Amino acid sequence: KNQVEQSPQSLIILEGKNCTLQCNYTVSPFSNLRWYKQDTGRGPVSLTIMTFSENTKSNGRYTATLDADTKQSSLHITASQLSDSASYICVVTPTAYNNNDMRFGAGTRLTVKP
Amino acid sequence: DVKVTQSSRYLVKRTGEKVFLECVQDMDHENMFWYRQDPGLGLRLIYFSYDVKMKEKGDIPEGYSVSREKKERFSLILESASTNQTSMYLCASSSRRQSQETQYFGPGTRLLVL
Repeated sequence: KNQVEQSPQSLIILEGKNCTLQCNYTVSPFSNLRWYKQDTGRGPVSLTIMTFSENTKSNGRYTATLDADTKQSSLHITASQLSDSASYICVVTPTAYNNNDMRFGAGTRLTVKP
Repeated sequence: DVKVTQSSRYLVKRTGEKVFLECVQDMDHENMFWYRQDPGLGLRLIYFSYDVKMKEKGDIPEGYSVSREKKERFSLILESASTNQTSMYLCASSSRRQSQETQYFGPGTRLLVL
């Protein structure tokens, strides 16, 4: 069973609407959680990273939240644009010292329609 | 801007062929990684390297090998391709080992083994 579960698997929204993507994890210990955006045919690009002590981080219209007690994170997209159509991947890393042990979720595929 | 390039966007190979996937980064990063990405699964680490001529196995190294003769180049080798190696292969690099360091991904190589 994957230690990082994302929901929904896919989502379709209209341009201009807001949406929220969910990430639940069981990874322990916990060092940080990162959200990546992956456009079709491209590699993932980092959007935000949060450590244990941070509960929110913004990057433009993207706002990530973290509840380390319940092991949940969300990514909120405000005023969606067509260019937001992509897969969004949640990544949890257990330790601070190595970046070779990242645990990837399967991603949420977001489609923004005009 | 960090740039990670991969030698091919698409490859079609026959079962049993030897396959080379090349990755080059232009930011003098110490660390390089190879992942595979399959539908419904998170990215899985195949091999990584923290220095020239150094390599470490990731979570799924079976059927693969790697080479890092120069700092900027990290090659993934499929000694005898099999159909279950049909996948998207992503290369990444980072400047340091700490888990808060961003991994920068290449565009990916989509490999089809017939």
